[in-house]
Amino acid sequence: DAGVTQSPTHLIKTRGQQVTLRCSPKSGHDTVSWYQQALGQGPQFIFQYYEEEERQRGNFPDRFSGHQFPNYSSELNVNALLLGDSALYLCASSLGQIRKTQYFGPGTRLLVL
Amino acid sequence: AQSVTQLDSHVSVSEGTPVLLRCNYSSSYSPSLFWYVQHPNKGLQLLLKYTSAATLVKGINGFEAEFKKSETSFHLTKPSAHMSDAAEYFCVVSDGYSSASKIIFGSGTRLSIRP
Repeated sequence: DAGVTQSPTHLIKTRGQQVTLRCSPKSGHDTVSWYQQALGQGPQFIFQYYEEEERQRGNFPDRFSGHQFPNYSSELNVNALLLGDSALYLCASSLGQIRKTQYFGPGTRLLVL
Repeated sequence: AQSVTQLDSHVSVSEGTPVLLRCNYSSSYSPSLFWYVQHPNKGLQLLLKYTSAATLVKGINGFEAEFKKSETSFHLTKPSAHMSDAAEYFCVVSDGYSSASKIIFGSGTRLSIRP
């Protein structure tokens, strides 16, 4: 039973570029959440997708957008990259939205130069 | 509004001695509470969770946590530390009674184990 997988593992971009990160949820899970973890800090909630719609959103600008596909996999897109977007991006999946345990992938480490 | 505070940014203990990582929470509703562990360059792993059943929750690797509503605390303990326990630990709160609820992470506690 595969857990949560994310690709790529590492990525280097320059300011102003756009990036797409991908996530495949744990088998049987239907909800995907994205988090940003800056160095030395706890993960910050970006948004959550369920039934192919964004259901919740944290305090992130519209440069951060996402998508969920019919097979429950998800993408996180970040436009007009800033140096401050450098972080570990974590994807988590769960079965359902409310009070459910989230299982995390290994993350994608993004460096913006 | 919900929030979570991890009272220590760094805890250092000797191998074989008890571990205590402190977490206080604030929630408008009866919350779900979690502890996750993150080893260097690894993803987050669930240690244990509380969802309004027994107040003493047992997790993996000998860890346990006690939910104390009167103190709004959910401290993580382990009787005897092992070198492999060295990692970053996150306390997480969710009051998840609606789709508007969010999951909030604490700032983390780095646990170091002295030989």
